[in-house]
Amino acid sequence: SQTIHQWPATLVQPVGSPLSLECTVEGTSNPNLYWYRQAAGRGLQLLFYSVGIGQISSEVPQNLSASRPQDRQFILSSKKLLLSDSGFYLCAWTLTGLYTEAFFGQGTRLTVV
Amino acid sequence: GQQLNQSPQSMFIQEGEDVSMNCTSSSIFNTWLWYKQDPGEGPVLLIALYKAGELTSNGRLTAQFGTTRKDSFLNISASIPSDVGIYFCAGHPPNNDMRFGAGTRLTVKP
Repeated sequence: SQTIHQWPATLVQPVGSPLSLECTVEGTSNPNLYWYRQAAGRGLQLLFYSVGIGQISSEVPQNLSASRPQDRQFILSSKKLLLSDSGFYLCAWTLTGLYTEAFFGQGTRLTVV
Repeated sequence: GQQLNQSPQSMFIQEGEDVSMNCTSSSIFNTWLWYKQDPGEGPVLLIALYKAGELTSNGRLTAQFGTTRKDSFLNISASIPSDVGIYFCAGHPPNNDMRFGAGTRLTVKP
């Protein structure tokens, strides 16, 4: 069966520090991978998605970047965090193909202080 | 056009009551999905719908894919305290770009 791992679960970082969040998927090949951000009590904002190694699409211009160095690894990064980067970050995967369900990781709560 | 409007935004109900929430769009969708998010966790898929008119149950949960393909509802019968959380609708418009509703925050009072 497929599983998705996301870490760390919580992170407190000072403004201006770098960020690296990692997500890996097991049990499937060539998944589509996604990073979402969720502000407190709000919906899901799609940040990046990837349909293959090295292929990244950005939905929202921002202080963040994403990379996919391996088929089942997706990384969210920032060189210098802003206070507004605080939030709950979720990684998700889907099978390739049309209209497939998304499965989410456990999330990372990032607080920038 | 492809935005999902989810309502209500929040609900406060008594344990044992039934719950109904819905999602609408001004354009058609090819799938409708319902997720539940517990506090501090990632959303978990509850029900997936693939055909207009489809009615699917998962325990006390029932969801339907509207016949116009522009709406879906989720019902929860006989609510219990562990039903607390945020419920999200999601769907795929014809361009396959999944969209999410803003969520319905459910509070169940014992």
